[in-house]
Amino acid sequence: GAVVSQHPSRVICKSGTSVKIECRSLDFQATTMFWYRQFPKQSLMLMATSNEGSKATYEQGVEKDKFLINHASLTLSTLTVTSAHPEDSSFYICSARDTLLETQYFGPGTRLLVL
Amino acid sequence: SQQGEEDPQALSIQEGENATMNCSYKTSINNLQWYRQNSGRGLVHLILIRSNEREKHSGRLRVTLDTSKKSSSLLITASRAADTASYFCATDAGTASKLTFGTGTRLQVTL
Repeated sequence: GAVVSQHPSRVICKSGTSVKIECRSLDFQATTMFWYRQFPKQSLMLMATSNEGSKATYEQGVEKDKFLINHASLTLSTLTVTSAHPEDSSFYICSARDTLLETQYFGPGTRLLVL
Repeated sequence: SQQGEEDPQALSIQEGENATMNCSYKTSINNLQWYRQNSGRGLVHLILIRSNEREKHSGRLRVTLDTSKKSSSLLITASRAADTASYFCATDAGTASKLTFGTGTRLQVTL
């Protein structure tokens, strides 16, 4: 199946710093990518839809100035957690949609710990 | 919340037994998908069933969909220890291709 990568897989940072997470679709072009957040033993909650060449669409309650999304190419979307705080600690997962197959392929996730 | 519900929340069975997980959702859908997640990892797509389909098979997996009841089930036959994972259903309501995930079922298969 299609492969989506995320980098880094794990990051620990101090409170107040910004963290950038990359999501790449390795063998297909994705006009749409999605960013999810998952707390321990919970389900995935969609944060935003990343559209290539246009602004991201954020879900209700997600601060767009806090979670900056850039989708500059058909294979790369980035999520930047700005001025991270301990409550931002979570597992962040991206996915890329294969339009032809109507399925989303998920990255392996990035575990963020803010001290 | 539009999140679907899954039951059971947790399921423990012995290797060789069948495992059945159920998913209920709230809105009309284009399709429903099942995913698997190993602890601390990303999600692996298992199977997609369209709203006009009632049953689908893939290897040891069998998925049913009842749109009148807004429910789906995932059956894993002849389970293996390697099937131990969390399983999520996700619905695509056709709204910008967004997926809405269920609460998940944690499956434990013991030897």
